Amino acid sequence: QLQLQESGPGLVKPSETLSLTCTVSGDSITTTTYYWAWIRQPPGEGLEWIGSIFYTGATYYNPSLKSRVTISKDTSENQFSLRLSSVAAADTAVYYCARHATHGWCDYWGQGTLVAVSS
Amino acid sequence: QSVLTQPPSVSAAPGQKVTISCSGSSSSIGSNYVSWYQQLPGTAPKLLIYETNNRPSGIPDRFSASKSGTSATLDISGLQTGDEADYYCGTWDSSLRAHVFGGGTKLTVL
Repeated sequence: QLQLQESGPGLVKPSETLSLTCTVSGDSITTTTYYWAWIRQPPGEGLEWIGSIFYTGATYYNPSLKSRVTISKDTSENQFSLRLSSVAAADTAVYYCARHATHGWCDYWGQGTLVAVSS
Repeated sequence: QSVLTQPPSVSAAPGQKVTISCSGSSSSIGSNYVSWYQQLPGTAPKLLIYETNNRPSGIPDRFSASKSGTSATLDISGLQTGDEADYYCGTWDSSLRAHVFGGGTKLTVL
């Protein structure tokens, strides 16, 4: 059974960089069939796609966040990671990692991790 | 402001049917597959529908969906109290070059 688990600090100071890791079990992130994505949800709000990475290492990002986002992978650990720079209070959200198909639907999600941006 | 527009809330009685709409554009719903997600309180979203009208294994046929032009709909029949949740539509927007979601619809089963 595929499982994804987010990990990282729950509190980040304004202007610093948010870093999260998603550990995947039950499937390899080198699969040629799926992408691996980060999606966030501010408290009480809707879902926002942040970006995705393919097994080749190719990435694509939400244009509204592109200048601040980096997604990378570590195939030896079967993990992929998110870095979001210059964070502000508006970046406070539950961050989810997920697997998604070429046509975009996310069939497996992590449980999510709340990251608060505050001094 | 979400790219896809959903009603904030819908409600119906147990056993009844409810329809949730999702309105987009020619570059989003009009030209790409739509997916639907159920998010129970305090949990991660769960895939209900993929490729506009297909159910993953384990999703009951009480959940169905369709698309017409630049709008999509999710139908839930035989409502149960356990269906109370937030429902989101999602798709790719070819113009924005981004995966986009609706703002979510809160379903209340009266």
